[in-house]
Amino acid sequence: EPEVTQTPSHQVTQMGQEVILRCVPISNHLYFYWYRQILGQKVEFLVSFYNNEISEKSEIFDDQFSVERPDGSNFTLKIRSTKLEDSAMYFCASSRIGQGQETQYFGPGTRLLVL
Amino acid sequence: QQQVKQSPQSLIVQKGGISIINCAYENTAFDYFPWYQQFPGKGPALLIAIRPDVSEKKEGRFTISFNKSAKQFSLHIMDSQPGDSATYFCAASKTQAGTALIFGKGTTLSVSS
Repeated sequence: EPEVTQTPSHQVTQMGQEVILRCVPISNHLYFYWYRQILGQKVEFLVSFYNNEISEKSEIFDDQFSVERPDGSNFTLKIRSTKLEDSAMYFCASSRIGQGQETQYFGPGTRLLVL
Repeated sequence: QQQVKQSPQSLIVQKGGISIINCAYENTAFDYFPWYQQFPGKGPALLIAIRPDVSEKKEGRFTISFNKSAKQFSLHIMDSQPGDSATYFCAASKTQAGTALIFGKGTTLSVSS
């Protein structure tokens, strides 16, 4: 069964450094998402992306964040200057167009630790 | 208006018992209500979902009950098993693709054998 994959599984960085989290969505999906989950808390929506444009974004997704589909398979989340409070698990998700479009399939996550 | 409130925060159930988790939403524009199951170190996985045109949906041991007028929905796990021990999140969104899933805070379920 196709699944969303994410790399790396863990990333440790220093405060102020840039990080790029990578995702490979399910191949026939066209909507892509990033969510984050601070340890022990709920999953929070960051951004959705379709046709090389942001569809929707939350208040959390400020100018420090950006998303990109650099090629036909990868979807990335960049955090320009990381802060301590960016430490969280970041999940990528994808969904199809048409029937079942509301169902989002999540990857295993990247655990980001900012020191 | 975007919140989804979930209770209880944690739940301990004996093997074979019924686990019940409740959620309430505020935004009447929501028309898709999924439940996700998450094991430690893994991403959320869709368990079962319902739309407001039906009051109940059953898949195996898992049932969603939906009360549109009260803006509440619940997950029932029948014959709970130790393998069901996980964190369960309710969520809500619009059916439209690309829209945010708004998650509840999660319920940690422990099924004791």
